[in-house]
Amino acid sequence: IAGITQAPTSQILAAGRRMTLRCTQDMRHNAMYWYRQDLGLGLRLIHYSNTAGTTGKGEVPDGYSVSRANTDDFPLTLASAVPSQTSVYFCASSGLAGRTDTQYFGPGTRLTVL
Amino acid sequence: GQNIDQPTEMTATEGAIVQINCTYQTSGFNGLFWYQQHAGEAPTFLSYNVLDGLEEKGRFSSFLSRSKGYSYLLLKELQMKDSASYLCAVLDSNYQLIWGAGTKLIIKP
Repeated sequence: IAGITQAPTSQILAAGRRMTLRCTQDMRHNAMYWYRQDLGLGLRLIHYSNTAGTTGKGEVPDGYSVSRANTDDFPLTLASAVPSQTSVYFCASSGLAGRTDTQYFGPGTRLTVL
Repeated sequence: GQNIDQPTEMTATEGAIVQINCTYQTSGFNGLFWYQQHAGEAPTFLSYNVLDGLEEKGRFSSFLSRSKGYSYLLLKELQMKDSASYLCAVLDSNYQLIWGAGTKLIIKP
C-alpha cells in the first residue's frame, strides 16, 4: 500500500541520548519534510529536502539533523536529546518541491525526553 | 512575521452547519490548504484554494479572499466523525507551508 511509514510509533528517551526517527515513502515523491507538533502550536517545519541529495533548514532546526541519501528515506536525528524536544514528529512528502503539491503525512512518532 | 489565526475550539450539533475561519498574514501567497486531523492521527488533506471564491467538495466547502487574507471551511450535515481538528496552512513565497494552530471541532448529538 502506497504511503509514508514512520518508526518508531512512540519512544521514551533519556536526555542526552542520540535518537534517529525513521521515515520511508513509496510514492516516489521528490520532496520530504519533518515537522513537530506541540499542543497549542501549529506544525513547525524542522528540516526539508527538495530532492535526494539535498536538505534545507526549516523554522526550528536546532538540535536536529537530516540526510537524504535516496528518494525513499528521510531520517531525522537528535544528536543529544533534551526535554524540550518532547513532541509528536510527523514526516511528510509531496510530489514536487517549489510547487503547490499537496503534502501527505506519515502516522507520526510520539517522543518523550526525560 | 508570518501569522495564521484560527479559533481554538468550536462546538456544533450533529446535522448542523459550521464555518471555521482562518485569517493569515504571510510573506507571499501561493495557496491555502485545509487539513483534517483526528486525535492521535496524522493530518489529511481536505482542500486547496489559490483563486478567490468557493470550492465545493461534497459536504465540505472552502472559501478564499486573497485581498482580505481570509478563508473559511464550511462543513454541512455534520456527522459525529467530523469531530477533529481542522488545520489551515498557507504556502508562502518560498513554497513553505505556514500552519495555524488548528481549530478543535466538537460535535454534539
